[in-house]
Amino acid sequence: GNSVTQMEGPVTLSEEAFLTINCTYTATGYPSLFWYVQYPGEGLQLLLKATKADDKGSNKGFEATYRKETTSFHLEKGSVQVSDSAVYFCALSDFGNEKLTFGTGTRLTIIP
Amino acid sequence: DAGVIQSPRHEVTEMGQEVTLRCKPISGHNSLFWYRQTMMRGLELLIYFNNNVPIDDSGMPEDRFSAKMPNASFSTLKIQPSEPRDSAVYFCASSSHGLAGGQTQYFGPGTRLLVL
Repeated sequence: GNSVTQMEGPVTLSEEAFLTINCTYTATGYPSLFWYVQYPGEGLQLLLKATKADDKGSNKGFEATYRKETTSFHLEKGSVQVSDSAVYFCALSDFGNEKLTFGTGTRLTIIP
Repeated sequence: DAGVIQSPRHEVTEMGQEVTLRCKPISGHNSLFWYRQTMMRGLELLIYFNNNVPIDDSGMPEDRFSAKMPNASFSTLKIQPSEPRDSAVYFCASSSHGLAGGQTQYFGPGTRLLVL
């Protein structure tokens, strides 16, 4: 079955540091890949997504590239801000299937 | 658009009581999902509907849980009787169904349930 593995948290960084959150996946078909973000007390919201190999999703300075050869979708940001403090979830859905398989989430805290 | 609307936002009840959670999806979306989030188990898909029909309920924990979608703009998740281990945040999400996949799910703010 499908699975998503993302790096254990929590992750604490200083403002303006470079961020990488690793995500690897196992899927039988041609999945779409997502990063969702959850701010305190809120529901999840889509941060970015990629639907085929070598696609790059980007939003709010965050980027992730769909790497089929390494089955990875690592999240990066060049300079984090305090407002980026949240829990980040990597997820996938199979082609033609709406169900999302989520990773366990990585809590990110940015200190000024 | 108002986004996905859930009610109540917070619910405190006693063990054995019936709990009903409500969700209004985004207008025009034809898929609806119910999730449960806890520290121990993370985010779990309980059930999802497409065009008001339950497609996959394999995540529903047991017979105490039931979900309905009587029309395109309303769904309920009911727990009867409730138990302390049901304490969690319950999210509803909706999306537009597409054959190719890759659809974004839009989450509501959640209902925080505490069963004493």
